[in-house]
Amino acid sequence: KNQVEQSPQSLIILEGKNCTLQCNYTVSPFSNLRWYKQDTGRGPVSLTIMTFSENTKSNGRYTATLDADTKQSSLHITASQLSDSASYICVVSVGSNYQLIWGAGTKLIIKP
Amino acid sequence: NAGVTQTPKFQVLKTGQSMTLQCAQDMNHEYMSWYRQDPGMGLRLIHYSVGAGITDQGEVPNGYNVSRSTTEDFPLRLLSAAPSQTSVYFCASRKSGGNTGELFFGEGSRLTVL
Repeated sequence: KNQVEQSPQSLIILEGKNCTLQCNYTVSPFSNLRWYKQDTGRGPVSLTIMTFSENTKSNGRYTATLDADTKQSSLHITASQLSDSASYICVVSVGSNYQLIWGAGTKLIIKP
Repeated sequence: NAGVTQTPKFQVLKTGQSMTLQCAQDMNHEYMSWYRQDPGMGLRLIHYSVGAGITDQGEVPNGYNVSRSTTEDFPLRLLSAAPSQTSVYFCASRKSGGNTGELFFGEGSRLTVL
C-alpha cells in the first residue's frame, strides 16, 4: 500500500534555532516528492518539488533532501522565524497518473 | 491575479441538506481538484478534472458530485449532507495535465454538518 509517514507529529523550537522534519514513504513507482507549508486556516503552499535524480533542493531557509534508496526525505529549516510556525506536509507522486499520496504533516511551532 | 477562489469560507448544514461549494481559478489551469482535510490525516482526493467536460473520481467520492462546464469553475455538490462530511474542503488547480506541475490551493471551505 502506498504510504507517506511524517515525523515528528509536532515540534516546538525557539526562534532562531534550526530543525529537521522527516518523511518516509513506501510508494511505487516513485515520480516526485513535494514539501508544502500550510499556515493555520490557509491552503497549502508549495515549497519544493524533487525528482528521483535530485538529492538536495533549497528555497531560501528551507532545504529539502531526498534519498531514493532509503525512501526518505527531510526538510531542514535554518534560523527559524515566527512566521515558520505552520504545518509542513510531505507529498509523493505515484507514476505518471494524477495520484498524490499525502502525509499527515508535522505541526511546527516557533516560540520567541 | 486572484488565483483559486473558494466560497463560502464557512458553512453549517443540517443532516440531509444539500449545498454546493464553489471553486474558480483565473490561471487558465486545465487540472482542478477537490480535497478534504481531516485532523490527523493527509489530504484526500474527492474528485478531479483534467479539462472542461471531463471529471473523474478520487479516493473518497461517495456523497459528492462535480461538473466542469468551463475551464474556470469546478463546483462540488453535497447531495445529502452527513455528519461524516464535516471537514475542511480545499480546491486546487495546476497547469499541467500530468503530476509534475505545482498545485495551487484555495483558502478552504470549513463545513460543519449537524
